[in-house]
Amino acid sequence: AQSVTQLDSHVSVSEGTPVLLRCNYSSSYSPSLFWYVQHPNKGLQLLLKYTSAATLVKGINGFEAEFKKSETSFHLTKPSAHMSDAAEYFCVVKTSGAGSYQLTFGKGTKLSVIP
Amino acid sequence: GAGVSQTPSNKVTEKGKYVELRCDPISGHTALYWYRQSLGQGPEFLIYFQGTGAADDSGLPNDRFFAVRPEGSVSTLKIQRTERGDSAVYLCASSLLPNTEAFFGQGTRLTVV
Repeated sequence: AQSVTQLDSHVSVSEGTPVLLRCNYSSSYSPSLFWYVQHPNKGLQLLLKYTSAATLVKGINGFEAEFKKSETSFHLTKPSAHMSDAAEYFCVVKTSGAGSYQLTFGKGTKLSVIP
Repeated sequence: GAGVSQTPSNKVTEKGKYVELRCDPISGHTALYWYRQSLGQGPEFLIYFQGTGAADDSGLPNDRFFAVRPEGSVSTLKIQRTERGDSAVYLCASSLLPNTEAFFGQGTRLTVV
């Protein structure tokens, strides 16, 4: 079975400082990995995805993530936090096979940005 | 519409009652998914439709939960004999094809009292 573990339930950063949200995955083969963001009272939005092409993936709003197979990690980063980045972030792995396409979500990391 | 639409946005029901939650996917999307998000948790998979058929219903917690998509577009999630533990946000998503980006609706917040 595939799974993801988000290592921090809550991360707090000052505006203008770097963001690091950590995610480790477990998969028996090369996975498809995603980061989604959920703003209060809004739907989940895809930030970026890794599907076995380039290991450094660039997403929307200046976010990027690096797939490291040796460390089974897919950490999300952003050089400079903005107030509008405050939200819940989910690391996700896709299960594909036998006619199914399930997304397995981590428990989420709440990002707070301090002015 | 432009995105995935879910109705109602909020539903309060009494324990033991029957509820239906509706999902209007993005026009032309063949794949549709239901997820459930409990407080403080990430969404959990319930069921996946490809066209009119349920291709994977392995996430439905028990036989009180059922979902349909009769014409391959709108889907309804049905919960019988609701329990307080069913309280959660129910999310619907759709994608053009099964292995393409899934777009999520804003969810229906179900509260069973």
